[in-house]
Amino acid sequence: NAGVTQTPKFRVLKTGQSMTLLCAQDMNHEYMYWYRQDPGMGLRLIHYSVGEGTTAKGEVPDGYNVSRLKKQNFLLGLESAAPSQTSVYFCASSYDMSGDLTDTQYFGPGTRLTVL
Amino acid sequence: AQSVTQLDSQVPVFEEAPVELRCNYSSSVSVYLFWYVQYPNQGLQLLLKYLSGSTLVKGINGFEAEFNKSQTSFHLRKPSVHISDTAEYFCAVRGGTSYGKLTFGQGTILTVHP
Repeated sequence: NAGVTQTPKFRVLKTGQSMTLLCAQDMNHEYMYWYRQDPGMGLRLIHYSVGEGTTAKGEVPDGYNVSRLKKQNFLLGLESAAPSQTSVYFCASSYDMSGDLTDTQYFGPGTRLTVL
Repeated sequence: AQSVTQLDSQVPVFEEAPVELRCNYSSSVSVYLFWYVQYPNQGLQLLLKYLSGSTLVKGINGFEAEFNKSQTSFHLRKPSVHISDTAEYFCAVRGGTSYGKLTFGQGTILTVHP
């Protein structure tokens, strides 16, 4: 049981380049989330999903897109990267509908992205 | 909408001393409250949570927190800290029907000195 995994762990992009961050969970969780973490600002929610095939905007969605084609995967895309998107990105999941409904979010190890 | 304020950005303390990390929240609906810990270069782990019932909540690693509805606070405490408690601590709130979405505070860096 690997929990929540994220790929890649580190990435450096040039302004205008695109990339996709992959999040995978093996806990049969319904809900998945993408956050960004910046110094002194805590974690801010970018997008989230309440089930396969569904996505919704969070607090800071501009410049990002997401897809949840399979229940276990949640992809975060940057179509045209900007220096302001330099951050650490965390994926999380929660809610096993057959058991744990206690709101605990389980986090991946993070992806450190630098946009030059 | 909810918001969370962690009153101290950094808290230095000596080993075996007690510590309190402060968290205040605002919400127009009933809330669930959480404390997460982030060790260097790692993701976040749940320390403890308040959903309902007793206002004193005990978590992992000897931490506890008390929910105070009248003061809208959820302060985290430990009576005797260890070097290994050095980490960043985040208070978070979920309110109403927000589909599990958490609102995080800005974080408090706890540094335990020998």
